[in-house]
Amino acid sequence: GAGVSQTPSNKVTEKGKYVELRCDPISGHTALYWYRQSLGQGPEFLIYFQGTGAADDSGLPNDRFFAVRPEGSVSTLKIQRTERGDSAVYLCASSLTGSLSYYNEQFFGPGTRLTVL
Amino acid sequence: DQQVKQNSPSLSVQEGRISILNCDYTNSMFDYFLWYKKYPAEGPTFLISISSIKDKNEDGRFTVFLNKSAKHLSLHIVPSQPGDSAVYFCAASANSNTGKLIFGQGTTLQVKP
Repeated sequence: GAGVSQTPSNKVTEKGKYVELRCDPISGHTALYWYRQSLGQGPEFLIYFQGTGAADDSGLPNDRFFAVRPEGSVSTLKIQRTERGDSAVYLCASSLTGSLSYYNEQFFGPGTRLTVL
Repeated sequence: DQQVKQNSPSLSVQEGRISILNCDYTNSMFDYFLWYKKYPAEGPTFLISISSIKDKNEDGRFTVFLNKSAKHLSLHIVPSQPGDSAVYFCAASANSNTGKLIFGQGTTLQVKP
């Protein structure tokens, strides 16, 4: 089935490097979310896209983090000058629209495990 | 500031018995609550949800109860099956128009055969 896919599944990088994480949402889903899950914690909201625009980026921790969704489908999360504290699993989710309801659930991808050495 | 808390990191129950997972929240603006289930190396999958206008929602073996005055919700699984063994996350939203979710830390459920 065509679920949410994320690439790469694993990324190891050195402190100070730049990384890009990609998310392919379910076709037709207009809403896309990025979350970050640190060890032993639940997912933490980063940013929400409705179509091409970032409707809520209140969860981005600082200006090293940036995300785009230029055509309203694939999204890329970009992290500049990575730090060891950025190590986490980055999860992407999509839903038909941004409204929450029992019939409009968020479907999550398997995540990208980022390790910053 | 942990707005959604799951105070039990783990729970172990016998197959066929009831599993009760608990969740507390602090933000009175939350109006929609969800439970997600997560297996290792997979993303969370939606299980069941409840709107703040209800106090109970049932779907097969899964029932979610909401006590707004206590700011508490719980997930009941009856009967528990070994395949239910996973990490369960409680999540809440203060604006159901955006879908932004605030998650708890998770509870690892182990159902023993």
